[in-house]
Amino acid sequence: NAGVTQTPKFRVLKTGQSMTLLCAQDMNHEYMYWYRQDPGMGLRLIHYSVGEGTTAKGEVPDGYNVSRLKKQNFLLGLESAAPSQTSVYFCASTLAGVRRSTYNEQFFGPGTRLTVL
Amino acid sequence: GNSVTQMEGPVTLSEEAFLTINCTYTATGYPSLFWYVQYPGEGLQLLLKATKADDKGSNKGFEATYRKETTSFHLEKGSVQVSDSAVYFCALRGNNRLAFGKGNQVVVIP
Repeated sequence: NAGVTQTPKFRVLKTGQSMTLLCAQDMNHEYMYWYRQDPGMGLRLIHYSVGEGTTAKGEVPDGYNVSRLKKQNFLLGLESAAPSQTSVYFCASTLAGVRRSTYNEQFFGPGTRLTVL
Repeated sequence: GNSVTQMEGPVTLSEEAFLTINCTYTATGYPSLFWYVQYPGEGLQLLLKATKADDKGSNKGFEATYRKETTSFHLEKGSVQVSDSAVYFCALRGNNRLAFGKGNQVVVIP
């Protein structure tokens, strides 16, 4: 099992350019998440998905779009990149919990470091 | 809404010293609580968890006890090693997602 993989690992964009970050998991997880990590801010949830074909907004969704066309993939899009989107982006996935007492660990990818000039 | 507060600033200590990182939370109901660790250049990994009040999570010498009365989940380790240098995040689970604290960088000096 490769676990959670992210493509690309690094990217530099100019303001206004667009790009798509790809997250893939081979663990048959239902839930997938996109976070951004900024110094002194911890991890903030951008968007998430509870199943194929579904997406929902997290804490900081503005400027991003997502799609979950296949269960194993979760794409994060930046239509018009801005310097404020310079960050490290992490994808995570987990099995769906059946009961409140059930916790299924979130598995994280290695991250994508994005710089917007 | 749900939120997690971690103590401010990095933590620098010598090898074999005692480590404490404070974590308090605000949530409705009885959330599950977690500590995640991030080693340099990597994603986050689950370190330990507790799903109900008075539960103690433990792993790799680290411990944390879910204290409902003080809404806290402080992380402790009795004798740290250089290999424990990392960023530690406290988190709580609610509404199918995790809310993270801002993280604390721990640097252990030989």
